[in-house]
Amino acid sequence: QKEVEQDPGPLSVPEGAIVSLNCTYSNSAFQYFMWYRQYSRKGPELLMYTYSSGNKEDGRFTAQVDKSSKYISLFIRDSQPSDSATYLCASHIQGAQKLVFGQGTRLTINP
Amino acid sequence: DVKVTQSSRYLVKRTGEKVFLECVQDMDHENMFWYRQDPGLGLRLIYFSYDVKMKEKGDIPEGYSVSREKKERFSLILESASTNQTSMYLCASERTSRQETQYFGPGTRLLVL
Repeated sequence: QKEVEQDPGPLSVPEGAIVSLNCTYSNSAFQYFMWYRQYSRKGPELLMYTYSSGNKEDGRFTAQVDKSSKYISLFIRDSQPSDSATYLCASHIQGAQKLVFGQGTRLTINP
Repeated sequence: DVKVTQSSRYLVKRTGEKVFLECVQDMDHENMFWYRQDPGLGLRLIYFSYDVKMKEKGDIPEGYSVSREKKERFSLILESASTNQTSMYLCASERTSRQETQYFGPGTRLLVL
C-alpha cells in the first residue's frame, strides 16, 4: 500500500465549478500536508501547506486535513481554465527529510 | 524568489552512456533532492543531500549516483544509462527549518535510446 494515495483522474469540469481533489494517507506520523500544482512540462510549485487538522484558505483555494480519517482535500472555488494542471498532494513527518507524494490528479477546466 | 535551475530541459542519450544532470539553487538551501516522475507512479525520490558531500539514498537509488561538492549544486549521475531510465527528472531544494516547502526546478526530460 502506498503511503499517500491519490486518484490520478483525469478530472474534467466546466469553468466556474467547485473542484474537490482528495488524498488518503496511511502513516499516522505525518504532520505536514502540502498541495503542489504542476503545469504541463514544468516542475511542481507549492500551492498550500497545512500543519495538523483543519482548514486553510488562500483565495479560491482551501486545503483541508482530517487526521482522524487520514484524509487530505483541496477545494478550488470558481475554477478557471488556468487552473488546469496536475495537482499533487504530499506529506511528511516533522524532522524527516523527505516528502511522500501522491500520484497526482490531472485536472482540466473547460471554458 | 527561490530559483532552482536544471542544466537541460531535454536530453537524448544512448544506452550505456554516462549522463550528468545538474541542479543549482540560489537560496542557500541546505537540503537538495532528485526525483523522477513517471506516469502512474508520481514522484519517486532517488537521492537527497542535507549538506555538502553528504548524501542519502531515497526510494529508488539503483543505477544512479549523486555528487554535492558545493552547497548550491547537486548533480545526478547515471553511470550507464538504460532505457528504463527514460523519465522526467526533477530537482528540488528546501531549507532545513522550512521542510514543508520544497522548491522544484523545471525538470529534465531524458530519453534513453
